[in-house]
Amino acid sequence: NAGVMQNPRHLVRRRGQEARLRCSPMKGHSHVYWYRQLPEEGLKFMVYLQKENIIDESGMPKERFSAEFPKEGPSILRIQQVVRGDSAAYFCASSQLGPPYEQYFGPGTRLTVT
Amino acid sequence: GQQVMQIPQYQHVQEGEDFTTYCNSSTTLSNIQWYKQRPGGHPVFLIQLVKSGEVKKQKRLTFQFGEAKKNSSLHITATQTTDVGTYFCAGTRVYNNDMRFGAGTRLTVKP
Repeated sequence: NAGVMQNPRHLVRRRGQEARLRCSPMKGHSHVYWYRQLPEEGLKFMVYLQKENIIDESGMPKERFSAEFPKEGPSILRIQQVVRGDSAAYFCASSQLGPPYEQYFGPGTRLTVT
Repeated sequence: GQQVMQIPQYQHVQEGEDFTTYCNSSTTLSNIQWYKQRPGGHPVFLIQLVKSGEVKKQKRLTFQFGEAKKNSSLHITATQTTDVGTYFCAGTRVYNNDMRFGAGTRLTVKP
C-alpha cells in the first residue's frame, strides 16, 4: 500500500516566484491536511480539505496561499510571490475519516526561498 | 495561538534515564493522539487515547489521558538512542472537532 506521497521533496524558489506543492493521500483516504513546520519548531495547522471542499482554512495566511483538493488528482498547496519567510517544511497528512481519526503524514516538501 | 500546550520544549537525557512529556488543553478534548518525528523525518502516529483516565502501554512507552480529558502524558522508561526525536501530542476539541498539535518535545539521548 502506497503511503501519502508528496512532491517535490525539495523545492527552491526565488523571491517572487510561485511554489506548487502536491500531495496524494493514501488510497481510500478522502481527508487531507496541510501543515507548515519551521526549523526546530512544531507543526502549524494550515488547512483541512475534503474532495472539492475546504473544510477549515483557519491556519492559512490571508494572502498568497491557497489550497485545493480536486475531484481528480492530488491536493495542491499554492504559494504565490514567495518570500524568504515561506522557507519551511510543508507536510501533508491524510485520514480515512475526519478528525479525530489518526493522520498519516507524507515525507514533506522542503521549500527554500532564495 | 497554541490550543494545546506541550512541555518541556526540549529534554536531554542520559541513555537509560526516564523521560516524560506533558500535554495540556484549556478545553475538554474528545481524544488525544501522540506522534513521533525522527530528525529529518515526518510525524508518525503512535497511539490514540479516548477514555477519561485511560492508560495505554507500548513496550517502554506509557500514555495517559487525564480524568478531566484536558491533559495527557507520554512516559518513556529507560530511554534508548532510538527514542531520539520530537514527540507531538494532538488534541481534538469537543466543541468544534478541531484537531491541533502541540509544539512538541524534542528528546535527545546521550549514549
